[in-house]
Amino acid sequence: SAVISQKPSRDICQRGTSLTIQCQVDSQVTMMFWYRQQPGQSLTLIATANQGSEATYESGFVIDKFPISRPNLTFSTLTVSNMSPEDSSIYLCSVERGYEQYFGPGTRLTVT
Amino acid sequence: QKEVEQNSGPLSVPEGAIASLNCTYSDRGSQSFFWYRQYSGKSPELIMFIYSNGDKEDGRFTAQLNKASQYVSLLIRDSQPSDSATYLCAVNGGGATNKLIFGTGTLLAVQP
Repeated sequence: SAVISQKPSRDICQRGTSLTIQCQVDSQVTMMFWYRQQPGQSLTLIATANQGSEATYESGFVIDKFPISRPNLTFSTLTVSNMSPEDSSIYLCSVERGYEQYFGPGTRLTVT
Repeated sequence: QKEVEQNSGPLSVPEGAIASLNCTYSDRGSQSFFWYRQYSGKSPELIMFIYSNGDKEDGRFTAQLNKASQYVSLLIRDSQPSDSATYLCAVNGGGATNKLIFGTGTLLAVQP
C-alpha cells in the first residue's frame, strides 16, 4: 500500500480566491493523480501528474483553473484557482503502486 | 465515452448474509478492475483488484470477472454491520496513464 497525506484536510474559502492542496507520499512514485468528488457523487479524474513533465488534464478540466506541480517523486500540489461555489468538493490525490491505486485522505473544500 | 455502471442502492442485507454487488463496463479493452470501499466522510479504500476471468478470493471478499459479458461483481460473505459503506467499482482503461474510471457506487447497508 502507500501512506499518503494531504494538506489542508479542509478549508472554507471565499469565491474568487485560490487554494493550493498538497499531497505527500511516503516513498517515490511515478504517477500521481488528482480526483474530485462532488457531494453525493463518484470520483472524477482531474489530471495525471508525472514527475518531470506537464500534467495531463481530463476533458472539462484546464490548467488555468487547476494548475498542478510535481517537483519530485513524492510530492504534488493542486491549486484550485478563482474559486466559485461550484468548486465545493472533496479533492483527493492518489498514487499508483503496481496495478493498484491508493488514495490520500482528501481535502474538503467549501467555497462561500 | 467509457462508462462504468453500478446500481446506486441502497442494498440492504441482514447480518451474516451474502452481499452481492455488481458492475458493468462499456470498454471491451479494459484490462483491470478494482473494488473500493468508502465510508461516509472518508476516502476510498482498495479492497481487491482482478484482471483475469473467473473468481478471486480474499478473506470474506470474492471478486468475479466476466470479460465476455463485461461485468465484474463483488461478493461479501458473512456480512457485518461494519461492512456498511459505499462500494465503488473502478475500471482501468489501459493506455500510458492507467487512469481509473469509477462507477457511481452502491450503498450497502447491513442490518444487525
